[in-house]
Amino acid sequence: GENVEQHPSTLSVQEGDSAVIKCTYSDSASNYFPWYKQELGKRPQLIIDIRSNVGEKKDQRIAVTLNKTAKHFSLHITETQPEDSAVYFCAASKRNDYKLSFGAGTTVTVRA
Amino acid sequence: DAGVTQSPTHLIKTRGQQVTLRCSPKSGHDTVSWYQQALGQGPQFIFQYYEEEERQRGNFPDRFSGHQFPNYSSELNVNALLLGDSALYLCASSRDRVRQPQHFGDGTRLSIL
Repeated sequence: GENVEQHPSTLSVQEGDSAVIKCTYSDSASNYFPWYKQELGKRPQLIIDIRSNVGEKKDQRIAVTLNKTAKHFSLHITETQPEDSAVYFCAASKRNDYKLSFGAGTTVTVRA
Repeated sequence: DAGVTQSPTHLIKTRGQQVTLRCSPKSGHDTVSWYQQALGQGPQFIFQYYEEEERQRGNFPDRFSGHQFPNYSSELNVNALLLGDSALYLCASSRDRVRQPQHFGDGTRLSIL
């Protein structure tokens, strides 16, 4: 099955700096890559997603890039704020497959 | 517009018991997926229901079963509970025509004593 690896497991950044989280996937048939933010005790919330026919997508301070050749995708958060502190999960889904395969998560702490 | 709702919020059971968790999908969604999230890990896919049938199943034993009702709501049943079943159980819904994205509920925290 699909294997998604996520790095780093923890990330501490100064407020205003950028944060980057990287995920790699194993199955070249994967074609959908969402990112979820999960605050303590709350539901995973979809923050951005990208499909394999697009190389980059941006939504305000958040962007995702996809490199299909290398089979990796990354989340970029610019101008980080304390409310960005949370656990971030990447996931991948294959064509004709209904499940999401998740990475292990990255705990992001934004220092004021 | 109500999002995905799950009940109960928390549940405590003992080994060997059975449990039923419930999920109502987001308005307009017809597909329900269930995930298990152990502490400090990413969600793991249990199964997905569409048109009242289990459409795809992850690597979980037969002790885990489910159901989907005509109104698209769903139940997750776990029999013969083990200590290792302690986790957050998340329900996610989506529109099959679109397939993705999946929107999650707040989950049910299940503790096995």
